[in-house]
This record gives sequence, structure tokens and C-alpha cells, in this order.
Amino acid sequence: GAGVSQSPSNKVTEKGKDVELRCDPISGHTALYWYRQSLGQGLEFLIYFQGNSAPDKSGLPSDRFSAERTGGSVSTLTIQRTQQEDSAVYLCASSFKRGGYTGELFFGEGSRLTVL
Amino acid sequence: GIQVEQSPPDLILQEGANSTLRCNFSDSVNNLQWFHQNPWGQLINLFYIPSGTKQNGRLSATTVATERYSLLYISSSQTTDSGVYFCAGTGGFYNQGGKLIFGQGTELSVKP
Repeated sequence: GAGVSQSPSNKVTEKGKDVELRCDPISGHTALYWYRQSLGQGLEFLIYFQGNSAPDKSGLPSDRFSAERTGGSVSTLTIQRTQQEDSAVYLCASSFKRGGYTGELFFGEGSRLTVL
Repeated sequence: GIQVEQSPPDLILQEGANSTLRCNFSDSVNNLQWFHQNPWGQLINLFYIPSGTKQNGRLSATTVATERYSLLYISSSQTTDSGVYFCAGTGGFYNQGGKLIFGQGTELSVKP
């Protein structure tokens, strides 16, 4: 597709359930990022993938959160045993690194997660 | 890690007014970018501006990386400029990539 695609756009789940959020980056973009945005707040970094390098997982808030990127393209963010404080919009972005620099980030429309 | 401070946190303008938004970094910064989040939540990249000045229509941005700040200028504001403006960068002047850290944003409201 032309832009970053995220699914589902909206997810309501019960506390304790696992959820998977998917991100399809812009074709050819080598870097992929996950951020979390709580209501009225800024963007909290979660994880960053770059090519075949080991991902930077320094922003994952707990071991209930994990992410993978298959074939250098699609990424899945998994939250196990969801808690109410996990409720937020999860944003995915991709970029094409130019000359080693990060390049412009392009964001998807986000996945809104509500944990009841 | 690098800290990003944006000012002002909130701004109300009358249509047609000009404004300047500021972004300060706690350490050397690279890959600086400005984003606009519209009222529906979509984030749009406005500028990729690690240094120097760029202009795009009524918007322009200037980054002085050695002094750890960036400015976003909005001229002749329109109601469609309303939303939240974020700046973001990677820590370390010689950092060529890595995670982008965001400021808390400036919420702009332009009144007709």
C-alpha cells in the first residue's frame, strides 16, 4: 500500500486476555517503530527494528509486551495478560534510512486498544 | 537518555496570526523532525530538519543542533492548523539512527 497500514483500528478486550496488533510498513522502508500514546499524552517509544539488526527493545514497559518483525516487513506487537493501564493508541511508523540517518518517519493511523 | 521539552504547551491563536513553537533538547540531537497530529489523531511529518532552515508554504523550521533547539514557525494561521505539534529527535549529534524521542507536544487551537 501507499502508507503504513495498521490493524485492527479498534480493539476492545477483557483484562487478562492477549492481543496482537499488526503493522504493515511502507514498501522498501527498512526501519519500523512502535509507539504508545495515552489519552492527551505524548508518544512513548516502545521498540525499534532496523533491517537485520537486533531490535532496540528498551521502551517495552514490561515482559508482557513483545514484538517481532518477519521478513523485514510486517510487524506484530503482542501484549499478554492485558491490564487496564495498557489502554492506549498504539502507533506504528516506518522510515527509509538515508546515508545511515533515520530519515522521515511516516505513521499509520494507529490501533486503539481498550482493556475493560 | 535525551529529554525533549516543548514550549508553549498550549497556544490559542486568532486566524491569521503568526506563531513560533520551540523544542529544546537536553543533549546533542540528530534526525530532528516536526509532526502535526490532527484532531482525528493522524500524525503527519512536517519537516525532517537535522540542521538549517526549511520552508513549506506557511510553515518553516529552523534547527540549531549545536545549541540543542529547533523552532517551528506558522504564519497566517488557519483553523486547519489546529492540533498538536510534536518535535522528535535521536540523541547524540553523531547518532545516525535509532529511536526517535518525542516531546510532549504543543496543542494549538486556531479560532476563526
